[in-house]
Amino acid sequence: DGGITQSPKYLFRKEGQNVTLSCEQNLNHDAMYWYRQDPGQGLRLIYYSQIVNDFQKGDIAEGYSVSREKKESFPLTVTSAQKNPTAFYLCASSTTGTSNQPQHFGDGTRLSIL
Amino acid sequence: GNSVTQMEGPVTLSEEAFLTINCTYTATGYPSLFWYVQYPGEGLQLLLKATKADDKGSNKGFEATYRKETTSFHLEKGSVQVSDSAVYFCALSIHGQNFVFGPGTRLSVLP
Repeated sequence: DGGITQSPKYLFRKEGQNVTLSCEQNLNHDAMYWYRQDPGQGLRLIYYSQIVNDFQKGDIAEGYSVSREKKESFPLTVTSAQKNPTAFYLCASSTTGTSNQPQHFGDGTRLSIL
Repeated sequence: GNSVTQMEGPVTLSEEAFLTINCTYTATGYPSLFWYVQYPGEGLQLLLKATKADDKGSNKGFEATYRKETTSFHLEKGSVQVSDSAVYFCALSIHGQNFVFGPGTRLSVLP
């Protein structure tokens, strides 16, 4: 079945450490997205990419970095510059060029500070 | 800019009660509208969608009608179950891009 796979499900970061969250999709979608969700809150867009080798900052990009070297993959790195990284991170993908298709989401990665 | 407003939660209902979660939107152009559901510790799942005015999306007993005149897309269910307890997000997109999500409404259904 096609879908989005996020790994790991749980991740712990030490102070001063960078960590990378994986997101892989086999839906043949052009666009991919990273969101952050804090407890009891909605989604905030971190980065998005509409095509390979191109990506754009979202609303809260500071302290995060991404790459899009392959259509299927959109890893997110949480750098040591992100002072409050504890949150639930969601990856999503969608087709582009048509207005009626939804975003599809992975099951998320929960990041905590040690 | 584009935006989505949802009723504040949490919403607490007894099993078999009628559910309405209000959603209104502001958009330039003609958006597609979506409802997503999020169960604890999981990602968002698409619940239903509507792509043009007067369309009705439906799934698992939930319904929502795209009302262009009132810029609304209210979610309804005639008889909720305990298993419907989750967070519900209203969302829109313009031309398959520019996705905007509402803040979410937490629903708790008591047996």
